[in-house]
Amino acid sequence: DTAVSQTPKYLVTQMGNDKSIKCEQNLGHDTMYWYKQDSKKFLKIMFSYNNKELIINETVPNRFSPKSPDKAHLNLHINSLELGDSAVYFCASTTGQGDTEAFFGQGTRLTVV
Amino acid sequence: GENVEQHPSTLSVQEGDSAVIKCTYSDSASNYFPWYKQELGKGPQLIIDIRSNVGEKKDQRIAVTLNKTAKHFSLHITETQPEDSAVYFCAAPPTPTDSWGKLQFGAGTQVVVTP
Repeated sequence: DTAVSQTPKYLVTQMGNDKSIKCEQNLGHDTMYWYKQDSKKFLKIMFSYNNKELIINETVPNRFSPKSPDKAHLNLHINSLELGDSAVYFCASTTGQGDTEAFFGQGTRLTVV
Repeated sequence: GENVEQHPSTLSVQEGDSAVIKCTYSDSASNYFPWYKQELGKGPQLIIDIRSNVGEKKDQRIAVTLNKTAKHFSLHITETQPEDSAVYFCAAPPTPTDSWGKLQFGAGTQVVVTP
């Protein structure tokens, strides 16, 4: 059973489109995250939710909107996609404490053409 | 917030040799230091971590050392094998006042083990 699963794994879309990435964790964790990994492999946090409440909202364009219907799910919706949005997006979850393991999904490679 | 610097950005080693990756951090209150391994096409996965009350921790061929005075911690891989080829990330936790697990990752080290 996959601990953190995100769909789709690959997403190719045209500029200006709206797309969503879904994430689910079955670990019973309270906190979930979205990270963006650029072409140089740098991992940058975008959002964090704790028990469906937005905790961290880094400097991310308003076109990105996370939604957490329950603590096991955290989805990412992106409006008006731009070329610069092309990256790999990772969902992760933790218990919420700073000194515990983060579990990552397999990533969604988004390519905007 | 925490700043984490990681070196080198790429590391090429011969199979059987050792690899060392070093990270420095800025917040002296940090007390937990994990290392993640990211294989091609996968998400990062924790391989080892260390807490501030110890100076070294080993798990088979990998070890992590911590120098709190100098504020750096290092990953050591001995007897490297081709399957060790991956991107390795160090991370530092949030400050103790930030309990929501906001990890700050280093920039990553691409390790290539050549046979």
